Amino acid sequence: GAGVSQSPSNKVTEKGKDVELRCDPISGHTALYWYRQRLGQGLEFLIYFQGNSAPDKSGLPSDRFSAERTGESVSTLTIQRTQQEDSAVYLCASSPQGLLTEQYFGPGTRLTVT
Amino acid sequence: SQQGEEDPQALSIQEGENATMNCSYKTSINNLQWYRQNSGRGLVHLILIRSNEREKHSGRLRVTLDTSKKSSSLLITASRAADTASYFCATDGGTNAGKSTFGDGTTLTVKP
Repeated sequence: GAGVSQSPSNKVTEKGKDVELRCDPISGHTALYWYRQRLGQGLEFLIYFQGNSAPDKSGLPSDRFSAERTGESVSTLTIQRTQQEDSAVYLCASSPQGLLTEQYFGPGTRLTVT
Repeated sequence: SQQGEEDPQALSIQEGENATMNCSYKTSINNLQWYRQNSGRGLVHLILIRSNEREKHSGRLRVTLDTSKKSSSLLITASRAADTASYFCATDGGTNAGKSTFGDGTTLTVKP
């Protein structure tokens, strides 16, 4: 079956503009994660959705970042008033359940803020 | 700082040799996972080891976990050029099991 998909694959935006990144998880996966990866670095946890529970937003770096998820399907990560330091690859992952299971990653969205 | 920290940061070996990477973490965990990332296939899950397990094998991979030392190692035997990638450990932080924390990774280069 299809894996996790993300769109767009690349996004170049001007400083101060808003951007919206999309993630389509694997069908049936109840857990969904967003991460940020700067060049040459590891993954930085942003937010976690699990079923109908309140999302874990503890990794969001500022109030310019927000994310939503529709039921157990599509999620969007929104960055308002983008800054150059927001430039990174944004990775989405899903898993059959949040606890004790592997995560399946999408290809990522490379965001460049000029 | 990151919950999981890999060591070494970079490793270069000849094809056929074994590669060992280490991961240290700070808080209690329910499980620890190893992932591989390369430009061709993105981030791929390799192996998950639970806190009550000490060793796990998958093909040419062997993972050990020492919860008393809060450390894990990943051994790749008989390395191949295709193993060239960055390897990350990820921990779940124990009670907050939904959130995974990744280290900065070990970059492995296998020379043919």
